[in-house]
Amino acid sequence: KAGVTQTPRYLIKTRGQQVTLSCSPISGHRSVSWYQQTPGQGLQFLFEYFSETQRNKGNFPGRFSGRQFSNSRSEMNVSTLELGDSALYLCASSPNRLSSPLHFGNGTRLTVT
Amino acid sequence: AQTVTQSQPEMSVQEAETVTLSCTYDTSENNYYLFWYKQPPSRQMILVIRQEAYKQQNATENRFSVNFQKAAKSFSLKISDSQLGDTAMYFCAFLAYSGAGSYQLTFGKGTKLSVIP
Repeated sequence: KAGVTQTPRYLIKTRGQQVTLSCSPISGHRSVSWYQQTPGQGLQFLFEYFSETQRNKGNFPGRFSGRQFSNSRSEMNVSTLELGDSALYLCASSPNRLSSPLHFGNGTRLTVT
Repeated sequence: AQTVTQSQPEMSVQEAETVTLSCTYDTSENNYYLFWYKQPPSRQMILVIRQEAYKQQNATENRFSVNFQKAAKSFSLKISDSQLGDTAMYFCAFLAYSGAGSYQLTFGKGTKLSVIP
């Protein structure tokens, strides 16, 4: 069974640009959640999607958004990039809601210059 | 709001020895889950062990075991017979219902564990 796939692995963008990250969950998993990992703040919850609906959102500005498609694949978008958005973005999936153990992808390393 | 504290930023242990990583959390919830995740240099977060708060028995997975003290809100991870492959960042995480059909996972800052040959 294929694991959680995140694309791209690495991304370099300039301030003010926007970026879209993709996450394909494990087959059959319906919940997808996103996390931002930085050396200073650690791992912070961004949002969770289940059955194409955002179920919960962390304390991030509206520049961070996402969506989930009918096949459970999810995308995360960050608009008007700032230097502080440089981070490792991790996606995780689980069969149902977050109560199930999460399976993480390898992440997308975003660098904003 | 829930918080998770890992008071040991870095630790080291000799190969084959035992090491314990500390984690404390703060919550007003009664039903929740606790996890330890491992993140090696490959960046992928891997679930090490999971504990349901309603279970009094401490979870065990091969060389990994936890000491769950609900009243003290403590959830430490013990690694026995440490191996070089255990070298990684270890994150303690807390999952609880956050209202309106939502759940939220909160992570500690992590402990960097180095296993020394």
